[in-house]
Amino acid sequence: KAGVTQTPRYLIKTRGQQVTLSCSPISGHRSVSWYQQTPGQGLQFLFEYFSETQRNKGNFPGRFSGRQFSNSRSEMNVSTLELGDSALYLCASSLSAGVDEKLFFGSGTQLSVL
Amino acid sequence: GIQVEQSPPDLILQEGANSTLRCNFSDSVNNLQWFHQNPWGQLINLFYIPSGTKQNGRLSATTVATERYSLLYISSSQTTDSGVYFCAVERSGYNKLIFGAGTRLAVHP
Repeated sequence: KAGVTQTPRYLIKTRGQQVTLSCSPISGHRSVSWYQQTPGQGLQFLFEYFSETQRNKGNFPGRFSGRQFSNSRSEMNVSTLELGDSALYLCASSLSAGVDEKLFFGSGTQLSVL
Repeated sequence: GIQVEQSPPDLILQEGANSTLRCNFSDSVNNLQWFHQNPWGQLINLFYIPSGTKQNGRLSATTVATERYSLLYISSSQTTDSGVYFCAVERSGYNKLIFGAGTRLAVHP
């Protein structure tokens, strides 16, 4: 069974641009979460989707948004990129909506903002 | 919000040594998971362990929920165990994992 797939693996953008990252969860998984990882702040929760509904959002500005499609695939978008948005963006999936589910991560998208 | 503290922050071992990593959390949780991030950035789920004890090969974990801590044991360490170990917790209804800062482990041959 294929794991969580994130594309692209690497991305270089300039300040002010926008970016869209994609995540395909493990087949059958309906919950998708996004995390930002930086050396200074560690792993921080961005948002979580289940059945196309955002159920929770972290403390990030409105420039960060996401969505989930009917096939559970998810995208996140960052508009008006800032240098501080440079980070590893990780997507994770789990089977269902409950809190007692193992989370499986993709390999991440390394975003560099110049 | 809930606080997650991991110790030690850094650990250096010789191959074959044993180690214990600790995770303290500040509130009741329904979900606790341990992850290993390898040098290439991939996060691997080691255990889902909100309470009790589990073992998987050379790794085992114990969570004492009433005392709000979890321990990850690594026995007979190998160089491939190097990387960062994260503890993450989730409170009921919040639908998000809160990660600790991690323990960076280096195993030397």
